[in-house]
Amino acid sequence: QKEVEQDPGPLSVPEGAIVSLNCTYSNSAFQYFMWYRQYSRKGPELLMYTYSSGNKEDGRFTAQVDKSSKYISLFIRDSQPSDSATYLCAMSGAAGNKLTFGGGTRVLVKP
Amino acid sequence: GAVVSQHPSWVICKSGTSVKIECRSLDFQATTMFWYRQFPKQSLMLMATSNEGSKATYEQGVEKDKFLINHASLTLSTLTVTSAHPEDSSFYICSARQEQNEKLFFGSGTQLSVL
Repeated sequence: QKEVEQDPGPLSVPEGAIVSLNCTYSNSAFQYFMWYRQYSRKGPELLMYTYSSGNKEDGRFTAQVDKSSKYISLFIRDSQPSDSATYLCAMSGAAGNKLTFGGGTRVLVKP
Repeated sequence: GAVVSQHPSWVICKSGTSVKIECRSLDFQATTMFWYRQFPKQSLMLMATSNEGSKATYEQGVEKDKFLINHASLTLSTLTVTSAHPEDSSFYICSARQEQNEKLFFGSGTQLSVL
């Protein structure tokens, strides 16, 4: 079993819909959680960063962390075709540790 | 967000030659940088952790003599693929950690094609 599980998709939604992404993990020591967006043949771009549990909102993006369930989510409201990309979750434990990535979910937003 | 610059963005080389890829943190200092390799439609595979002023830490199965890493300053790490072969063709991505918050910022990646 992988340390971080993420559905590979593809997840296809119509423009304007809410995109819902999630990751589950097994290591209870994880406390730093991040979501990245990666376009084809580009480096990942940091979208959301959360320390410990809770919700965080930034524009159309909302990140949620539920440490009791070992489950994190990313919601994209009013999705646009430009949101079509692969979304990667990542997490780490103590400061200085390397990040553990999910496998990524490919998202397609159709006009 | 912080900016990490990676060069070149693509390189084509002959088999047996060496290729150097640079990774710079432009607006913050990074004691730690990471080098990844990514195959098509797959996630990032960590190759090594680059520590300023000390030897890099390589992941299991990554040849340290093949992939030379130098992190001579707080803003620059380099990856040299030595005696490249076609099987080394891949997308290489660097990242730098912002230490005050553990955020990791990525370069734009380098597509290496070895003929």
